[in-house]
Amino acid sequence: DVKVTQSSRYLVKRTGEKVFLECVQDMDHENMFWYRQDPGLGLRLIYFSYDVKMKEKGDIPEGYSVSREKKERFSLILESASTNQTSMYLCASRSGETRSQPQHFGDGTRLSIL
Amino acid sequence: GNSVTQMEGPVTLSEEAFLTINCTYTATGYPSLFWYVQYPGEGLQLLLKATKADDKGSNKGFEATYRKETTSFHLEKGSVQVSDSAVYFCASFSPATDSWGKLQFGAGTQVVVTP
Repeated sequence: DVKVTQSSRYLVKRTGEKVFLECVQDMDHENMFWYRQDPGLGLRLIYFSYDVKMKEKGDIPEGYSVSREKKERFSLILESASTNQTSMYLCASRSGETRSQPQHFGDGTRLSIL
Repeated sequence: GNSVTQMEGPVTLSEEAFLTINCTYTATGYPSLFWYVQYPGEGLQLLLKATKADDKGSNKGFEATYRKETTSFHLEKGSVQVSDSAVYFCASFSPATDSWGKLQFGAGTQVVVTP
């Protein structure tokens, strides 16, 4: 079974802090994704990565950056946290092997910015 | 552009009732289609998938058939349990237009099953 592990289930940070959310997958997947999930807005893609050191902006990249130095790890960085970044953050990974491969999700990090 | 539309919730029903959640898609080419389920406080889990027309995905008593003529992928279960209470997401991937496995998600449908 694919395992996608997010480093924290709950996180509380202060406005202006630099925040790191970590995601690790154990299946040697090429593609990795970061989403945020908010009530009434569904899932929105922040960034994704299709290989080590490669990244693409998603639908809402403003205020975020990402890092993928190793294949198994994809980090989401909030450069200067703001209260409107309080949300549930979901990481996913996917094999690039065939077109029908699904995304596999972690359990999420519920981030509160005070 | 590509998109997925699913019925709004919440859907409230009694245990052992029949469940249908409608999902329709617009896409270029021939997308792969997925249903994900999210239990309270958890991430999304893949429930089932279908990759070509007339394919039927099934898992845990849930089924969905890829209908190209109606561009639909409705989710059904014949007899729901309280443990099926969750949010269900329909999603599509169109290799013609979506790079690197990027999914289009529906808004999600909350299902509440009462004893």
